[in-house]
Amino acid sequence: AQRVTQPEKLLSVFKGAPVELKCNYSYSGSPELFWYVQYSRQRLQLLLRHISRESIKGFTADLNKGETSFHLKKPFAQEEDSAMYYCALTGGGADGLTFGKGTHLIIQP
Amino acid sequence: ETGVTQSPTHLIKTRGQQVTLRCSSQSGHNTVSWYQQALGQGPQFIFQYYREEENGRGNFPPRFSGLQFPNYSSELNVNALELDDSALYLCASSLEPSSYNEQFFGPGTRLTVL
Repeated sequence: AQRVTQPEKLLSVFKGAPVELKCNYSYSGSPELFWYVQYSRQRLQLLLRHISRESIKGFTADLNKGETSFHLKKPFAQEEDSAMYYCALTGGGADGLTFGKGTHLIIQP
Repeated sequence: ETGVTQSPTHLIKTRGQQVTLRCSSQSGHNTVSWYQQALGQGPQFIFQYYREEENGRGNFPPRFSGLQFPNYSSELNVNALELDDSALYLCASSLEPSSYNEQFFGPGTRLTVL
């Protein structure tokens, strides 16, 4: 069965410090991986996806197939990064997204 | 361009009742997916509709059913409500079912079952 694990329910770092949100997955095949973010009082939205190899708002995520991980990183945290972050995967097509339980990131001033 | 909308915002039902939730997809999107998000959990995939047909389903019982209309709006129906059905129900639309297409989420409908 496919599964996404985000081991940290809550992560608190100071402004300007590096951030790493962990995501590990279990899937028999080659899934597509995503990070979704939900800011306070806003709807869930896509932050970045593996296939695009992009950096959004200073965040990057590297897929490590050997460790089945897709950790989200940012070198210097900003207060506006405070939000709920969800890692997700899909096998494609009509498979739907499988989400982790989320990590609540708090950036302290 | 109009985003994904859902109605109602909140709903309270009692155990055993039936409920219908509605979703309007983003302009130009023909695919709608529904998710259930229990408190403290990530969203869980219920099913997906593409061109008025269910084309994918998660691990949910048959009392969860849906419809998609020619204008691509969608309904989620839940029969014989149980206490554990209390959750936030999210609708998401996308251009096509492909995994490469971003899913755009609505604000959700909060269902409480008493």
